[in-house]
Amino acid sequence: KAGVTQTPRYLIKTRGQQVTLSCSPISGHRSVSWYQQTPGQGLQFLFEYFSETQRNKGNFPGRFSGRQFSNSRSEMNVSTLELGDSALYLCASSSGLSNTQYFGPGTRLTVL
Amino acid sequence: AQKITQTQPGMFVQEKEAVTLDCTYDTSDQSYGLFWYKQPSSGEMIFLIYQGSYDEQNATEGRYSLNFQKARKSANLVISASQLGDSAMYFCAMREPGNQFYFGTGTSLTVIP
Repeated sequence: KAGVTQTPRYLIKTRGQQVTLSCSPISGHRSVSWYQQTPGQGLQFLFEYFSETQRNKGNFPGRFSGRQFSNSRSEMNVSTLELGDSALYLCASSSGLSNTQYFGPGTRLTVL
Repeated sequence: AQKITQTQPGMFVQEKEAVTLDCTYDTSDQSYGLFWYKQPSSGEMIFLIYQGSYDEQNATEGRYSLNFQKARKSANLVISASQLGDSAMYFCAMREPGNQFYFGTGTSLTVIP
């Protein structure tokens, strides 16, 4: 079974721009979670989607949004990028809301 | 209060020795899951081992075992016969049903040849 895939793997943007990251979960998994990882703040939970509905949400500003499609693929959008948004963005999928999460390779975003 | 606490920012272990990485958790739920993940310098988080709150036996997966002490709310990871490839960050995590995953701050493990 193919693992979680994330595209793109690397991104460079400038302040004020917006960015969309994509995540394809493991086949059959209906839950997708997003995390931001930085050296200073560690691993921080952004949100989780299950069957196209946001089920859990972390403490991030409204510039961070996401959605999930009927095939369970998910996208995350960050608008009006700030320097502090530079981070590794990790996506994880699980078969349910109580199950093990499996992570993708991440998207490394650099904001200049 | 922190849901997951990892008190060891960095650990060193000699190759072929065993090492224990500490993790304590905080929950009032009776049902929950405990997880350990490994993150090499490449960045990808790799799932290692799972322990359910109702599991009476400690979980084991190859060289990894989870020392589960429910009364103490402790879920330590034990790596036996350390290898150079075990050098990485290790994260402890917990999930209550329907709730988000909570991760600790991680422990950086360095295996010395």
